[in-house]
Amino acid sequence: GAVVSQHPSRVICKSGTSVKIECRSLDFQATTMFWYRQFPKQSLMLMATSNEGSKATYEQGVEKDKFLINHASLTLSTLTVTSAHPEDSSFYICSAKGQGSYGYTFGSGTRLTVV
Amino acid sequence: QKEVEQNSGPLSVPEGAIASLNCTYSDRGSQSFFWYRQYSGKSPELIMFIYSNGDKEDGRFTAQLNKASQYVSLLIRDSQPSDSATYLCAVTVNQFYFGTGTSLTVIP
Repeated sequence: GAVVSQHPSRVICKSGTSVKIECRSLDFQATTMFWYRQFPKQSLMLMATSNEGSKATYEQGVEKDKFLINHASLTLSTLTVTSAHPEDSSFYICSAKGQGSYGYTFGSGTRLTVV
Repeated sequence: QKEVEQNSGPLSVPEGAIASLNCTYSDRGSQSFFWYRQYSGKSPELIMFIYSNGDKEDGRFTAQLNKASQYVSLLIRDSQPSDSATYLCAVTVNQFYFGTGTSLTVIP
């Protein structure tokens, strides 16, 4: 089945620094990549949607200058959290949909802790 | 009104019993319906998807869709302790909408 590899699984960074999270589709072409954030005991909240080669579409309330998304190829999308602050600490998950496929394949998630 | 609503639970059932998870959605234009299972600290994993009214069975899992009532459910037969997790209902319209999830505990 379709696999999305997400790295790193855990990262701790200092406040004010930037963190990059990568998602790679291993055996299919991810025409669309979704980025979610999940706070403890809450559901997944969509942050942005990106299509390969296009600018990402951000959900209301998500700062596009803070959460930089790059989807430069059909197999790789990155989320960079710039100038991270403790309130950005969360579980970040990517999800990809291949062309013609049903359902969405999730990455394994990244636990970000900003100290 | 939220797009997708689920009873947050927690829902507890004894081992071997049937667990019933329910989900309602607001947009009649919803096209696809998914059930995901999420263990604590892990990413969601797809259990089932359904597009047409009626039942769809896969092993111990049965998804039921009633578009007229805007209702989709998941039945887990012969529940096992390993089924203990949060179950997320998701609906696609123009994008993917997740419910808040129902926490299920199967008691040995």
